[in-house]
Amino acid sequence: QLVESGGGLVQPGGSLRLSCAASGFTFSTSWMSWVRQSPGKGLEWVANIKQDGSDTYYVDSVKGRFTISRDNAKNSLSLQMKSLRAEDSAVYYCVKGGGVFDYWGQGTLVTVSS
Amino acid sequence: DIQMTQSPSSLSASVGDRVTITCRASQSITTYLLWYQQKPGKAPELLIHAASNLKSGVPSRFSGSGSGTDFTLTISSLQPEDFATYYCQQNSSFPRTFGRGTRVEIK
Repeated sequence: QLVESGGGLVQPGGSLRLSCAASGFTFSTSWMSWVRQSPGKGLEWVANIKQDGSDTYYVDSVKGRFTISRDNAKNSLSLQMKSLRAEDSAVYYCVKGGGVFDYWGQGTLVTVSS
Repeated sequence: DIQMTQSPSSLSASVGDRVTITCRASQSITTYLLWYQQKPGKAPELLIHAASNLKSGVPSRFSGSGSGTDFTLTISSLQPEDFATYYCQQNSSFPRTFGRGTRVEIK
């Protein structure tokens, strides 16, 4: 099970931290990802992180603004988002997998608006 | 980036119909192709990986085929619970990219 939290309304230029609590599988041996979905842009992969946190990858549009991280001791995944823009508004899903997205959380809504 | 183009964007079909959705990649992805199903208000769910391998528990009426740049998802006999939006996605390279989706509606 993957349960996201931390979404909400934030002004342009603001910051937000999303969290994901994982259970029911061996978190420490799984690549993890964030995928977002907005009405205008459909599904968009945002970032992923290797099992031990040593490698991370980002879509170009969020590089330098978003940081994905994990705490294997707490079975948790995070996405720190800074310098948020209107186009970052979306439902953000925590997803098990680095390329094969085999389990998804229910999503958390991020709205960037003044 | 690899662009994924799905067609059609929507279709209307009846229960029992055979439905085919196509997905084309802008360059070869061999068989690094996945299909997802999404119902309204829910997260996507993985149906097929590696172009043709059904995820455990997915009904056998779903099948996938293709390699290189052209892929298809087929539902052999559409059931009421299959009305949803279907997405393809490539995991051949970064960034991972999705098609825009095909909405399957009731005729």
